[in-house]
Amino acid sequence: DVVMTQTPVSLSVSLGGQVSISCRSSQSLVHNNGNTYLSWYLQKPGQSPQLLIYKVSNRFSGISDRFSGSGSGTDFTLKISRVEPDDLGVYYCGQGTQYPLTFGSGTKLEIK
Amino acid sequence: EVKLLESGGGLVQPGGSLRLSCAASGFTFTDFYMSWIRQPPGKAPEWLGVIRNKANGYTTEYNPSVKGRFTISRDNTQNILYLQMNTLRAEDTAIYYCARWMYTTGVFDYWGQGVMVTVSS
Repeated sequence: DVVMTQTPVSLSVSLGGQVSISCRSSQSLVHNNGNTYLSWYLQKPGQSPQLLIYKVSNRFSGISDRFSGSGSGTDFTLKISRVEPDDLGVYYCGQGTQYPLTFGSGTKLEIK
Repeated sequence: EVKLLESGGGLVQPGGSLRLSCAASGFTFTDFYMSWIRQPPGKAPEWLGVIRNKANGYTTEYNPSVKGRFTISRDNTQNILYLQMNTLRAEDTAIYYCARWMYTTGVFDYWGQGVMVTVSS
């Protein structure tokens, strides 16, 4: 199985600030077709996870440009700029390159 | 509007069985892969399995952690996804979500609200 390792486990940021979350995979996420199926999700308190980013750097419909993804191979980053109160929750990375599909252990974002 | 609504959760004894349902609406059900994902309280999500779309013969893939105990099926006339869970254990206690799986982008683009399953005597 592809193990997804996220750091940090938690972080605290002031409103308007910027944060970065790291996600590393135990194997390359480059599919045989050349695509890299790395995605990011946000789970707000009491809600289901919601899709933010797909294929490393593409924002899902309706997602603010304050969210950006980058990386390649086994090393990926989610950046959130101009943090707002609605950004709090747990962020998960996920891989869709090979079965079984797997998620990272999560990064909890708190607002100072 | 895409909607996914799970039902069938509850309390079950160890060794028991339970079947979850997920009613889908707002999209052409047969065109999409569908998945089940669970999340134990305070932990990360765990993918359980997927059932492919009509074009791919409605075949299935499972996480080895549940293969042989859990079965995913779909009723394409009523747009319902099912998860049959057998020989349940305490460690199967979790919120269970159905989600639409987009194999072209490798993501779960829509999730249900989830249903709680508690395995306890």
